[in-house]
Amino acid sequence: GQSLEQPSEVTAVEGAIVQINCTYQTSGFYGLSWYQQHDGGAPTFLSYNALDGLEETGRFSSFLSRSDSYGYLLLQELQMKDSASYFCAAFPYGGATNKLIFGTGTLLAVQP
Amino acid sequence: DSGVTQTPKHLITATGQRVTLRCSPRSGDLSVYWYQQSLDQGLQFLIQYYNGEERAKGNILERFSAQQFPDLHSELNLSSLELGDSALYFCASSAGTASHEQYFGPGTRLTVT
Repeated sequence: GQSLEQPSEVTAVEGAIVQINCTYQTSGFYGLSWYQQHDGGAPTFLSYNALDGLEETGRFSSFLSRSDSYGYLLLQELQMKDSASYFCAAFPYGGATNKLIFGTGTLLAVQP
Repeated sequence: DSGVTQTPKHLITATGQRVTLRCSPRSGDLSVYWYQQSLDQGLQFLIQYYNGEERAKGNILERFSAQQFPDLHSELNLSSLELGDSALYFCASSAGTASHEQYFGPGTRLTVT
């Protein structure tokens, strides 16, 4: 099947660095996106990796390795407001390219 | 604020009923996507329209239908509602037809009793 797996929860302290992993079981996909969702709120686009490697956007960076079927979101200098759920997402090969599949989501808790 | 609007914000209805959820995309966006988010299923893609035409279908039940109007707003119709349909329904929009960067509305929380 087509799935993107993430750890269910991650806890870190303010000011620290945290990495949220995303591993995929699909046969391949067109890039990997990351979204942030605060409790009950709308998902917000964070970043996109079209190719392998690291993309940096301020405190957030995202990495993709197709050969390892793996990507991650790196959050630096954690702030309390970063407490939220984070989802990876991708358009899989072999299906309707407009069908964005979301990962299982990771709840990040930032502690003081 | 993403620029995507959804109404209503909350909806409480009984089993067997029919409801309509409304979405207006960001100005200039031609694509509208509908998603369902429940506690045990995560974010599930339902359906996508581009400039009035259906472009992709996910795991959308036959009891659900959608359309996009000439002014590009979209409606999601849910009928013969069941308890399991209780969820957050999000609409998202993008300029292109298959965008990894989608802008989500605030959602409609549907409770079926």
